[in-house]
Amino acid sequence: DIQMTQSPSFLSATVGDRVTINCKASQNINKYLNWYQQKLGEAPKRLIYNTNSLQTGIPSRFSGSGSGTDYTLTISSLQPEDVATYFCLQHNSGPGTFGAGTKLELK
Amino acid sequence: EVQILETGGGLVKPGGSLRLSCATSGFNFNDYFMNWVRQAPGKGLEWVAQIRNKNYNYATYYAESLEGRVTISRDDSKSSVYLQVSSLRAEDTAIYYCTRRVGMDAWGQGASVTV
Repeated sequence: DIQMTQSPSFLSATVGDRVTINCKASQNINKYLNWYQQKLGEAPKRLIYNTNSLQTGIPSRFSGSGSGTDYTLTISSLQPEDVATYFCLQHNSGPGTFGAGTKLELK
Repeated sequence: EVQILETGGGLVKPGGSLRLSCATSGFNFNDYFMNWVRQAPGKGLEWVAQIRNKNYNYATYYAESLEGRVTISRDDSKSSVYLQVSSLRAEDTAIYYCTRRVGMDAWGQGASVTV
């Protein structure tokens, strides 16, 4: 199975900051990488699919990039409502595997 | 609007079993693969099971950690998918989410299972 290594596990940032979260796959996942946001007490919500496609209704400050084994979620200007845990998911091979998550808080 | 609603969670004694249901609406259920994903308290997400559609002969796949204790099934006439979990253990305590597609584009609110 493909393993996903997500970093950092915890991130503290200020409103307006540019924030990046990374996921590294144990092998090439051909850009089949999604990003999810999970707020406290809620179900995960898909933000980005297939590396860089923005889900309908998601603000444009969220973007994704990457290829091969390395992928990044970027929030261009952090807003208070972005406080959440973020997960990546590879769906190139097998059932799909998640990263361990990044908890994003305001400084 | 796509809607996914899980039911059937609750408090179960160790060794017991549980059947979770996932009712869907707002899309052509027959066309889609469906999954169960779980999240233990304060932990990350773990894929549990997948069932494919009729075109793929309703093939099923299970996480190795749960294989032999879980069964996923679907009823296309009811736009629903089910998860039967047996021999429940404390470590099965989690919120169980029903999700659509391999790319998991839509999620229910989850069903809480406490063992």
